[in-house]
Formats: sequence, structure tokens, C-alpha cells
Amino acid sequence: NAGVMQNPRHLVRRRGQEARLRCSPMKGHSHVYWYRQLPEEGLKFMVYLQKENIIDESGMPKERFSAEFPKEGPSILRIQQVVRGDSAAYFCASSPDNQPQHFGDGTRLSIL
Amino acid sequence: EDQVTQSPEALRLQEGESSSLNCSYTVSGLRGLFWYRQDPGKGPEFLFTLYSAGEEKEKERLKATLTKKESFLHITAPKPEDSATYLCAALHGSSNTGKLIFGQGTTLQVKP
Repeated sequence: NAGVMQNPRHLVRRRGQEARLRCSPMKGHSHVYWYRQLPEEGLKFMVYLQKENIIDESGMPKERFSAEFPKEGPSILRIQQVVRGDSAAYFCASSPDNQPQHFGDGTRLSIL
Repeated sequence: EDQVTQSPEALRLQEGESSSLNCSYTVSGLRGLFWYRQDPGKGPEFLFTLYSAGEEKEKERLKATLTKKESFLHITAPKPEDSATYLCAALHGSSNTGKLIFGQGTTLQVKP
């Protein structure tokens, strides 16, 4: 069984560019979650999605960040006009109807 | 404010030296307490879920327990391959969110 797949594993962007992070959940999982891990900090919840719906986005910054989980294809976390402070590891997790959440190996985003 | 605190931040053990990791939580309406293991450069790997005070789960050299205010991860006769960061996370009480609140983690090093 394939686990949660995230790509790219590493992403480098210049300030002002857009970053797109992709997440394919485990087979049979319809719930997707995004977390951010800043250097020297713990994992922080960003957003929880089910197919075509955002259920909880209480951890998403109000501007520049958006997430989607379309009917077909992976979940996308999009960061517009990136700034240095966006440098972090972004983790995606998925679950079936009930917990637990299973995590991918993350995307390391570096902003030049 | 919902919070999860882990102690100690770092722990060094000799191979075979048993110990415990602590996770204290203040989360309204806890719906589950989760333990994960994270290796460098990887995503968190699910270990256990605990749902109610008094519950215990075991897997190889690890045993997780839960009280009304804290959880413990007991490591019996650890081996060098148990070296990793152990994360504790609480599932928020609201029924419409999958938000996990993570502690900062305990980094365990087991020396041969």
C-alpha cells in the first residue's frame, strides 16, 4: 500500500513567486490535512479538507495561502507571493472517516 | 487555550535503560491522544491512539498510557534504532475538525 505521497520533496522559490505543494492521500482516504513545521517549532495545523470541501481552515494565514482537494487529483496547497517567513516543512496527512492521520514525508520549502 | 506540552525536550539513554516520556495536555473535549515517531527528514509515523483515561496500548518496546491530564510513552529496554523524535498530539474536541494539536516533541537518543 502506497502511503501519503507529497511532491516535490524540496522546492526553492524566490520572494514574490508562487509555490504549489501537492499531496496524494492514501488509497481509500477521503480526508486531507495540511500542517506546517517552522524551524525549531512544532507541527501547526493549517487546514482540513474533504473532497471538494474545506472543513476547517482555522490555521491558514488570512492572505496568500489557499488549499483545495478536487474531485479528481491531488490536494494542492498554494502560496502566492512567497516571503522568507514561508520557509518551512509542509506536511500533508490523510485519514479515512475516522482517525488516525497518516503523514507524508513533507515538502521542504526554501525562499531565496 | 488548548495546549500540549512534552517533557523532557531531549533524552539520552544507554541501550537497555528504560524510561518514560511525558505529554501533558489541556484540550477541551479531548477526542483522542496520539503518539507519533518522527525520524530526521521524514514525516511523523503513527504509533498509537488513546481515547479514554486508563487506556493502554503496546507495540514492541513501547507502551502508551493515558490519564485525564497526561499521557506517558514508556520505552522498555530501548535499542539504538529507537532513536527518534517522539511527538504527542491531541485531537481537538470540536466535532467538525480534524485539527491535531502537537507538542514540541521529545528527541530520544539511545547509545549502544
